[in-house]
Amino acid sequence: EAAVTQSPRNKVTVTGGNVTLSCRQTNSHNYMYWYRQDTGHGLRLIHYSYGAGNLQIGDVPDGYKATRTTQEDFFLLLELASPSQTSLYFCASSDDNSDYTFGSGTRLLVI
Amino acid sequence: QQQVRQSPQSLTVWEGETAILNCSYEDSTFDYFPWYHQFPGESPALLIAIRPVSNKKEDGRFTIFFNKREKKFSLHIADSQPGDSATYFCAASANTGKLTFGDGTVLTVKP
Repeated sequence: EAAVTQSPRNKVTVTGGNVTLSCRQTNSHNYMYWYRQDTGHGLRLIHYSYGAGNLQIGDVPDGYKATRTTQEDFFLLLELASPSQTSLYFCASSDDNSDYTFGSGTRLLVI
Repeated sequence: QQQVRQSPQSLTVWEGETAILNCSYEDSTFDYFPWYHQFPGESPALLIAIRPVSNKKEDGRFTIFFNKREKKFSLHIADSQPGDSATYFCAASANTGKLTFGDGTVLTVKP
């Protein structure tokens, strides 16, 4: 079954720590996205990609890097985590018609 | 500058009433307008979507009304049920696959 799988489901790190969030999709979609969801702000786009090796900057990219290693895998990197990055992170994939399939989310707490 | 504005932030209706959720947008190049719903503890899921070749899209109890001239679109949920209680997000994209989301409306349907 086509799906978007995120790991880990929950993560706690300290301020200044290094965190990698992983996302794998089996939908054969070209597009993949990283969003963060915060109360009162909805879903805000961090980075996205059109395919392996491609990276596009989203609306709230500061403090985040991303890498698309294969068609299936998209990673979000926080190299110096800050408390302001405490959030619920969603990965999604889509084909050209923009219908998203979301992963189950990763809840990150930076203390 | 917020590209997609959503209102109200929260809405309470009685079972059987019609719930109306509103969105407006800025970018004239937007050409795809989906609505997603999200139940507590779950990821967002596509509910219904419209392209501006038409001004109305129906799917069962859910209807999108689209006004290109005023750059507005709305979701009407007829005969609302308690099971419809969720957070609803409108979104828009411009032929890029990248969705810009509104901040969400928390809908509560009282029995």
